[in-house]
Amino acid sequence: DIQMTQSPSSLSASVGDRVTITCRASQGINNYLAWYQQRPGKAPKLLIYAASTLQSGVPSRFSGSGSGTDFTLTISSLQPEDVATYYCQKYNSAPLTFGPGTKVDIK
Amino acid sequence: EVQLVESGGGLVKPGGSLRISCAASGFTFSSYIMNWVRQAPGKGLEWVSYISSGSNYIYYADSLKGRFTISRDYAKNSLYLQMNSLRPEDTAVYYCARGGAVAGLFFEYWGQGTLVTVSS
Repeated sequence: DIQMTQSPSSLSASVGDRVTITCRASQGINNYLAWYQQRPGKAPKLLIYAASTLQSGVPSRFSGSGSGTDFTLTISSLQPEDVATYYCQKYNSAPLTFGPGTKVDIK
Repeated sequence: EVQLVESGGGLVKPGGSLRISCAASGFTFSSYIMNWVRQAPGKGLEWVSYISSGSNYIYYADSLKGRFTISRDYAKNSLYLQMNSLRPEDTAVYYCARGGAVAGLFFEYWGQGTLVTVSS
C-alpha cells in the first residue's frame, strides 16, 4: 500500500506569514491528492482536491501544488482562524490513506 | 444544503456489536460514493470503508479484517456501518463523508461524527 507522510508535524507562525506544508506519497499518485483542515473539536473540511483545485468557498489564501509523489499546501497569509490540523489524503485507489497531519498554531 | 447526520454511537463492551447510521439530505443520495472515516481520541484521520453509488463496489481498510460491513438504503437516504467483534482500539469518532463529484474518492462533505467507545 502507498504510505503518506507530512512535514513538518507541527509549526508555529505569525499572523500574515506564508506557511507551507509538504505531503509525500511513497509511490506516484498523479494528482489524486486532497487537503483537509480540521479545527479543534470540529469535523474535517475539504480545502483542495486534484492537488490544486480550490474547493468552493475556501479562501484564496489557500493553494495547492504538486503531482506524482510530492505535494504542497500553502497558506499565503496566515490568519487566526487558520489554527488547525491539516491532513493530506491520496485517492487514486483504495485504501484512501491520510497523512499523519500537520498542526498549525499562531506564534 | 448538504447535510450528513450520524447517530447510533455509544458505549459497547469488547467483543460486542454496534450499528451506526448516517442520514443524508440535500443531494441525490444515489449518485454519490459514501464513506466512513474514523478518528481515535487525539489521533489522526483513518479511512474505514467506502461504498459506490450503486453499492456494487465496496472497500474496507485492511486493519478491519472483515469485522465491519458498510451498506446503504436508497429509500431512506441512509448509510450504515455494522461493527462486530469490537475492540478497545475501535474507540473513535466515526464520520460519514460524501464523495466528490464524478466518482471522486475524496471527502467533499462530512457529518459531525458519532462517538463509539469500546470499554468494559
